[in-house]
Amino acid sequence: GNSVTQMEGPVTLSEEAFLTINCTYTATGYPSLFWYVQYPGEGLQLLLKATKADDKGSNKGFEATYRKETTSFHLEKGSVQVSDSAVYFCALTPSGSARQLTFGSGTQLTVLP
Amino acid sequence: GAGVSQSPRYKVAKRGQDVALRCDPISGHVSLFWYQQALGQGPEFLTYFQNEAQLDKSGLPSDRFFAERPEGSVSTLKIQRTQQEDSAVYLCASSSPGQGALLNYEQYFGPGTRLTVT
Repeated sequence: GNSVTQMEGPVTLSEEAFLTINCTYTATGYPSLFWYVQYPGEGLQLLLKATKADDKGSNKGFEATYRKETTSFHLEKGSVQVSDSAVYFCALTPSGSARQLTFGSGTQLTVLP
Repeated sequence: GAGVSQSPRYKVAKRGQDVALRCDPISGHVSLFWYQQALGQGPEFLTYFQNEAQLDKSGLPSDRFFAERPEGSVSTLKIQRTQQEDSAVYLCASSSPGQGALLNYEQYFGPGTRLTVT
């Protein structure tokens, strides 16, 4: 079946530090890949997505590249801010379908001033 | 425009009680999903509707869980004879089909209902 494995947290960084959150997946074919973010007290929001190999999703300074050869979709940001403190979820939907998302377990990020 | 709304936001139930959780999707969205999110975990799929048809209920953990969307809009997730292991946040998401081969439409999530079974 499909699965997503995320780097375990929590992750604590100082403001302006570089962020990487690792995500690898198991799926047949070419799934679509997503990063969702959950800010404290708020619902899940789509941060970025990529639908085919070598695509790069980007939003709010965050980037992730769909790597078919390593089945990975690592999230990166060059300079984090306190406001980036949240829980980040990597997720996929199967190829040829836009049905249910399969999520990783989430990574809690805390950015200190 | 209005996003996905869910009610109640918080529900405390005594073990053995029945509960009903409501989801109002974004107007016009054809697809509706329910997920269960245990504390410290990622959401897990429960069930999926396309309009009023329940196309996939493979994630429902037991026959105590039942979902419906009779008019293809509002959906209700019902849990009968609640157990402590049902304590979780229940998330609803809706989406609209993409065009052609671009089946990569976004799911928009509601704020969730936090269910605590005592």
